[in-house]
Amino acid sequence: EAQVTQNPRYLITVTGKKLTVTCSQNMNHEYMSWYRQDPGLGLRQIYYSMNVEVTDKGDVPEGYKVSRKEKRNFPLILESPSPNQTSLYFCASSTDSNEQYFGPGTRLTVT
Amino acid sequence: RKEVEQDPGPFNVPEGATVAFNCTYSNSASQSFFWYRQDCRKEPKLLMSVYSSGNEDGRFTAQLNRASQYISLLIRDSKLSDSATYLCGLTSGTYKYIFGTGTRLKVLA
Repeated sequence: EAQVTQNPRYLITVTGKKLTVTCSQNMNHEYMSWYRQDPGLGLRQIYYSMNVEVTDKGDVPEGYKVSRKEKRNFPLILESPSPNQTSLYFCASSTDSNEQYFGPGTRLTVT
Repeated sequence: RKEVEQDPGPFNVPEGATVAFNCTYSNSASQSFFWYRQDCRKEPKLLMSVYSSGNEDGRFTAQLNRASQYISLLIRDSKLSDSATYLCGLTSGTYKYIFGTGTRLKVLA
């Protein structure tokens, strides 16, 4: 089954404790992206990747890192999480920047 | 001005009604446009792409008006199952993707 998976689905952590949210797709898509969704602000792009080893900043990259060492994986790293990074995070992939397929989401709470 | 703007709603309509949403955008260089559907606490799912020539899929029709810089979504014969949030999305540059904040639709029995 074609899909985008994210782990963990739910995470509660404390300020400053490094964490990684994994994202994997099995559709051989070149383009992958991370978003956060907050009430009243909608979906905002954090980082995107056009292919292996090629990444670029979206609209809200501060406090996040990404890497794309393999085509199928695109982890999101929070080196020192803060409460303002509490949000619902979605990973997405597509064959280019169009028609994105989203993962199920990761609900992160930073206390 | 926001790059993409949508009326947040909610739009409360009776079953069988026709309802339309608009989404305005500010970047005239935007290339590709889409409507996504998002159910509560779930991931967005592509509903349809939007073309200048219009795009119809069953009860759903999407339209792009480049001159006035908006896209629209028309839902005919609304069903209870159409209740969701509808997000417009567009490309800004080659790879950046911008979404609206979404319009909530509630179809009432």
